[in-house]
Amino acid sequence: EIVLTQSPNTLSLSPGDTATLSCRASQNILSSYLAWYQQRPGQPPRLVLYSSSARPAGIPGRFSGSGSGTDFTLTISGLEPEDFAVYYCLHFGALQYTFGQGTSLEI
Amino acid sequence: QVTLRESGPAVVNRTQTLKLTCTVSGFSLTTGDMCVSWSRQAPGKGLEWLARIDWDDDKYYRTSLKSRLTISKDTSKNQVVLTMTDMDPADTGTYFCARSSSGWYHFDYWGQGIRVTVSS
Repeated sequence: EIVLTQSPNTLSLSPGDTATLSCRASQNILSSYLAWYQQRPGQPPRLVLYSSSARPAGIPGRFSGSGSGTDFTLTISGLEPEDFAVYYCLHFGALQYTFGQGTSLEI
Repeated sequence: QVTLRESGPAVVNRTQTLKLTCTVSGFSLTTGDMCVSWSRQAPGKGLEWLARIDWDDDKYYRTSLKSRLTISKDTSKNQVVLTMTDMDPADTGTYFCARSSSGWYHFDYWGQGIRVTVSS
C-alpha cells in the first residue's frame, strides 16, 4: 500500500507570499494518479489540481503543481486570504485511494 | 449542474449498522463512465477513502474495512448507498460522497457531508 506523506504539517505565511507544499509517496507513482485538494473549515474538499499539474475550471492560475516519481509539489503564488486552508494530496493505485495527512496553511 | 447530497442518521449506537445514502443529480449512475465514492473524516483529522461503485456496478473497498462495508446503487432513485456494520465510536466523523470518472483518478464533485456520531 502506498503511503503519502505531506510536509510540512503546518505552514505559516502571509498574504502575498508563495506557499510550497510537498507530498512524498512511499514508492514511485504516476503523476496522472496524483491530485490536490483544498479544504476550508466546515466544507468538503475542493479539487485544485489533478494529474499532478492540471487545473480544473475555476481554479486560479496561482495554483500550480509539479513533480514525478515519489516527490510532488503544490505551489500557490501570491497567497490570497481565501487560500488559507488545509491541503491534501490524493493518489489512486491498486484499486485504492490514499490521502496524505494534510498540510495546514495558516496566516 | 452536478450535485451530490448525503443523508442518513446523525447518531447510531455502538455495534449497530450505519446506512448512508448519496442522492446524485446532473449525471447518470449507469452511463458515462461515472463512479461514486464514499470517504470520511474524523473530527479534526484527515480524509479516509472507504469505497467506490462504478457505472457498471464494479465495487472497490478500503482493504482494512472491507469486511464491514457494502456499497450499492439504486439507479431508479439516482442513489448510492453505503452500509457499515459493527459501528464503533472511532467511526464518528463526517461522511462524504464524491464523483469521479473512470479513467480519471480524482474526485471532481463532492457532497457537503453528513456528520455521524457513534454513541457508546
